[in-house]
Amino acid sequence: GENVEQHPSTLSVQEGDSAVIKCTYSDSASNYFPWYKQELGKGPQLIIDIRSNVGEKKDQRIAVTLNKTAKHFSLHITETQPEDSAVYFCAASIAPGAGSYQLTFGKGTKLSVIP
Amino acid sequence: EPEVTQTPSHQVTQMGQEVILRCVPISNHLYFYWYRQILGQKVEFLVSFYNNEISEKSEIFDDQFSVERPDGSNFTLKIRSTKLEDSAMYFCASSAGQGLYEQYFGPGTRLTVT
Repeated sequence: GENVEQHPSTLSVQEGDSAVIKCTYSDSASNYFPWYKQELGKGPQLIIDIRSNVGEKKDQRIAVTLNKTAKHFSLHITETQPEDSAVYFCAASIAPGAGSYQLTFGKGTKLSVIP
Repeated sequence: EPEVTQTPSHQVTQMGQEVILRCVPISNHLYFYWYRQILGQKVEFLVSFYNNEISEKSEIFDDQFSVERPDGSNFTLKIRSTKLEDSAMYFCASSAGQGLYEQYFGPGTRLTVT
């Protein structure tokens, strides 16, 4: 089955700096890669996702890049703010055009933004 | 904004007891999921559910587990005879389907088995 590795496990950055979190996946058939943000005491919140037919997607300060050949994808957060502090999870899936699918998650990255 | 809700937020039970975790998915979503996260470990897929049937299940989802959609809004996970190793955070999620991939998660139920 799919295996997702995520690095680093913890990341501290100064406010205003950029943060990058990287994930690799094992199953070349995976075609859907969401990123989730989990704040303390809350469930994972979907923040951005990318499908295998695109290499990059951006939403304001957040961007995700995908390299299908190398089977890795990354989350980039620019101009970090204290409210970006949370645990971030990457996930991979073989998502059909219709139907259910299971997400395989990385272990998470605890991001701390220092004011 | 519609959201997935879960009750209770924390459930403490004794080993061997049955527990039912409840979820209300987003109202127009068709696919429902349960995941769990043991403290310090990855979020793991348990089961997916569509049209009143299990679509997929992981090897974790053994005969002790069952899911049900008892009415038009609730989605439940039952653990028949809890074990210490069932202690975890359990997340419910839902997705709209029909080409819309996004899975939206609830806040979770922390299950503690003593």
